[in-house]
Amino acid sequence: KAGVTQTPRYLIKTRGQQVTLSCSPISGHRSVSWYQQTPGQGLQFLFEYFSETQRNKGNFPGRFSGRQFSNSRSEMNVSTLELGDSALYLCASSLDTGYSYTFGSGTRLTVV
Amino acid sequence: AQRVTQPEKLLSVFKGAPVELKCNYSYSGSPELFWYVQYSRQRLQLLLRHISRESIKGFTADLNKGETSFHLKKPFAQEEDSAMYYCALKGSGNTGKLIFGQGTTLQVKP
Repeated sequence: KAGVTQTPRYLIKTRGQQVTLSCSPISGHRSVSWYQQTPGQGLQFLFEYFSETQRNKGNFPGRFSGRQFSNSRSEMNVSTLELGDSALYLCASSLDTGYSYTFGSGTRLTVV
Repeated sequence: AQRVTQPEKLLSVFKGAPVELKCNYSYSGSPELFWYVQYSRQRLQLLLRHISRESIKGFTADLNKGETSFHLKKPFAQEEDSAMYYCALKGSGNTGKLIFGQGTTLQVKP
């Protein structure tokens, strides 16, 4: 059974640009969550999607957005990138809230 | 506020010694708690979940509601246990949101 797949693995972007990250959940999983991991702030929740609906959102500015497609694949977008957005972005999937989440390897975003 | 605190950034022990990684939480109601582990260059993996009461790789964790703690324990540390350990709390309501502690690096010396 394939795990959670995140693409790309690495990205380098310039301040002011925008970026889109992709997450393919485990087959059959309908819930997808996104987290930002940095050395200073640790793991912080960005948002959660279930059956194409955003179910929860963390305390991040509106520059961070996401969506989920009918096949449960999810994307997150960050517009007007800032240096502080440099982080490892992790995606996790689950059958639903009552089940454990499986994490992907993440996308390492560097903003220069 | 819902919060998870892992007071130790680094815990260093010798192989064969007992290990206790501390986790305290703040939550109104019945919490759902997890331990995740991240080995070097690997993805974050679920180690255990308090409601399943399993013992994984020799690790156990007991929920103590009186002390609001969920400490991770292992009687005899192995070198392969060296990793970053995160305690996490599921957010309230119909959500899969996890609130993570800052993590503790466990270093097991030979």
